[in-house]
Amino acid sequence: EVQLVESGGGLVKPGASLKLSCVASGFTFSDYWMSWVRQTPGKTMEWIGDIKYDGSYTNYAPSLKNRFTISRDNAKSTLYLQMSNVRSEDTATYYCTRVSHWFAYWGQGTLVTVSS
Amino acid sequence: DIVMTQSPSSLAVSAGETVTINCKSSQSLLSSGNQKNYLAWYQQKPGQSPKLLIYLASTRESGVPDRFIGSGSGTDFTLTISSVQAEDLADYYCQQHYSYPTFGAGTKLELK
Repeated sequence: EVQLVESGGGLVKPGASLKLSCVASGFTFSDYWMSWVRQTPGKTMEWIGDIKYDGSYTNYAPSLKNRFTISRDNAKSTLYLQMSNVRSEDTATYYCTRVSHWFAYWGQGTLVTVSS
Repeated sequence: DIVMTQSPSSLAVSAGETVTINCKSSQSLLSSGNQKNYLAWYQQKPGQSPKLLIYLASTRESGVPDRFIGSGSGTDFTLTISSVQAEDLADYYCQQHYSYPTFGAGTKLELK
């Protein structure tokens, strides 16, 4: 059974940095592109970016590429999202997903709240 | 960006009714190479992660009941739920995967 478990969310102050993790199991992690998607409290869904199966290539939503960095450790079956200079509008639930053009598998999400 | 416009934003239904949710993209999602439309539909119940229902506009994900039907091509797409059941009350989102992914704003399906 495919499982994706995110962690690392919480309350952070504007301007701070935060690193989210997603541990994958139930499939060969190193065979798949992976992605991060976020959902705001108002339920707007936004794709953040994705990373190639070997970590050699990343894509980002244009509005986020300067502040967010996606990486992975295939030996640990773990996906990461490094967030820097966070803003109030980054408040959202962050989901890790397995990519096939569409998103067939999602984690349970981790909530990030940006507030002073 | 490809902008996805979903309608209606909410819909009140009675059990057993057939409902239609619309999704319009700002440019065609039809690939000239393989003649496939890169459009997916998701269902999200309260407190849960989104669940994939349909991909490539009309292909039902494994395990999804056949009352969920995706249709359309180019820029206009529809999710039809025939004989709505109480368990179908949820938010529904369309998403294009023709270019970098973008989502519709969602449709909330409620009980009348």
